Amino acid sequence: GENVGLHLPTLSVQEGDNSIINCAYSNSASDYFIWYKQESGKGPQFIIDIRSNMDKRQGQRVTVLLNKTVKHLSLQIAATQPGDSAVYFCAEEGLFDYKLSFGAGTTVTVRA
Amino acid sequence: DAGVIQSPRHEVTEMGQEVTLRCKPISGHDYLFWYRQTMMRGLELLIYFNNNVPIDDSGMPEDRFSAKMPNASFSTLKIQPSEPRDSAVYFCASSFDRNSPLHFGNGTRLTVT
Repeated sequence: GENVGLHLPTLSVQEGDNSIINCAYSNSASDYFIWYKQESGKGPQFIIDIRSNMDKRQGQRVTVLLNKTVKHLSLQIAATQPGDSAVYFCAEEGLFDYKLSFGAGTTVTVRA
Repeated sequence: DAGVIQSPRHEVTEMGQEVTLRCKPISGHDYLFWYRQTMMRGLELLIYFNNNVPIDDSGMPEDRFSAKMPNASFSTLKIQPSEPRDSAVYFCASSFDRNSPLHFGNGTRLTVT
C-alpha cells in the first residue's frame, strides 16, 4: 500500500540553528498532514498540522510546508533548543479514509 | 486536562497468557484509536472507535487480538493468548472529531517472554 516515508533518519543540529525535517508521501489523495514529536518513554505529541488546501502554516517556532506537486512535507524548527531533541514523525490521512498513517520517523539531536 | 491515560505502563508476561491493556480517553473526545509501535514496523493503527462503536479493525493482527469500548471513558485491548512477537509499545489515542489531531497516551510497553 501507499505509505509515508522520510528522507533522513537522523539529523544533528547545533543549538540555536534552524532545523528542517523532510517527509515524502505517495498518496495523492491525502488531505490532512500532521507532525508529531516523540520523546523517549512518551507517546507522540502533536506539533502542527496542515490541510491540503494550504501550502504553509506557522506555529510557535515551527513552520510546516506542503508541496503537493512533488508530494513533499517539511517541518522547520527555528532556533533549535536542547528540548527539541526527539523523534519526529509525519503522518497523513486520506480524504475518505480516517486512518492516520505514520512515517518511519527522524531522530533529531541538538548539540550544545 | 489529564490527557489520555493508559495502564499499565509496563507489562511482562509469559507466552500463552492473557494480556489486557486499558485506556481512558480525553473527556469529550468521540474517537479512540489503538496503535502499536515497534522498531521494525513503526506506528501501526490496529483499530479505531467512533462513539464507542468499532469502525475499522483491519489493522488487528489476528483473532488473538480484541478491543472493546463499553463506554465513552474506557477501552481495552486484549491479547489472548499472547506470543513473543506481540512485544511492542501499545498506544491509545483520542480525538475530538475527524478534523482534530490525535492525542496520545504514554503507552504500555508489553514484553512477552
